[in-house]
Amino acid sequence: AQSVTQLGSHVSVSEGALVLLRCNYSSSVPPYLFWYVQYPNQGLQLLLKYTSAATLVKGINGFEAEFKKSETSFHLTKPSAHMSDAAEYFCAVSMGGGFKTIFGAGTRLFVKA
Amino acid sequence: DTGVSQNPRHKITKRGQNVTFRCDPISEHNRLYWYRQTLGQGPEFLTYFQNEAQLEKSRLLSDRFSAERPKGSFSTLEIQRTEQGDSAMYLCASSLWKGSVRDTEAFFGQGTRLTVV
Repeated sequence: AQSVTQLGSHVSVSEGALVLLRCNYSSSVPPYLFWYVQYPNQGLQLLLKYTSAATLVKGINGFEAEFKKSETSFHLTKPSAHMSDAAEYFCAVSMGGGFKTIFGAGTRLFVKA
Repeated sequence: DTGVSQNPRHKITKRGQNVTFRCDPISEHNRLYWYRQTLGQGPEFLTYFQNEAQLEKSRLLSDRFSAERPKGSFSTLEIQRTEQGDSAMYLCASSLWKGSVRDTEAFFGQGTRLTVV
């Protein structure tokens, strides 16, 4: 069975500081991993995805994530936070091939001026 | 094409009433998914279709829930005899499955927020 654990339901950073959102996964097969962002009362927008190519994945809005098989992790980072990054972030895992996606509980990112 | 469209965006209903939501996927997408998201949680998978065939249903999808995709295009999700616990955001997503495992991206709609009073 697949599962995702996001460490920290809330993360607060200052504007310009490093953003680090943690995600660990469990999967019996090589996983496909995703980070989505959700703004209030909106659907989910894909930030980036890992599909077994490069382990360092670059996404939109300056975000990137690194797949570490030995640590079963897929942490999301951004070098410098912007106020517009304040949102809910979800890590997700899929077996691929358009199969259902399993989501973590989410991490709400707050950005302080 | 403007992406996945869901209607209505908001629905308030009295307990015991039936409600129906509609999802229009991206036109060429053959897979369509329904998720439920409660406050403070990530989306939970409910069911998915490939074309008009419903391929999987979660145990979360009780007998009161039914989903259809009659012509392999739009889909409806109906909840009968709504309960307060059904209050949630219902998200629809679609993807294009062409037989490649690299086809993994699902595009989400903005959701329908259901409030049962």
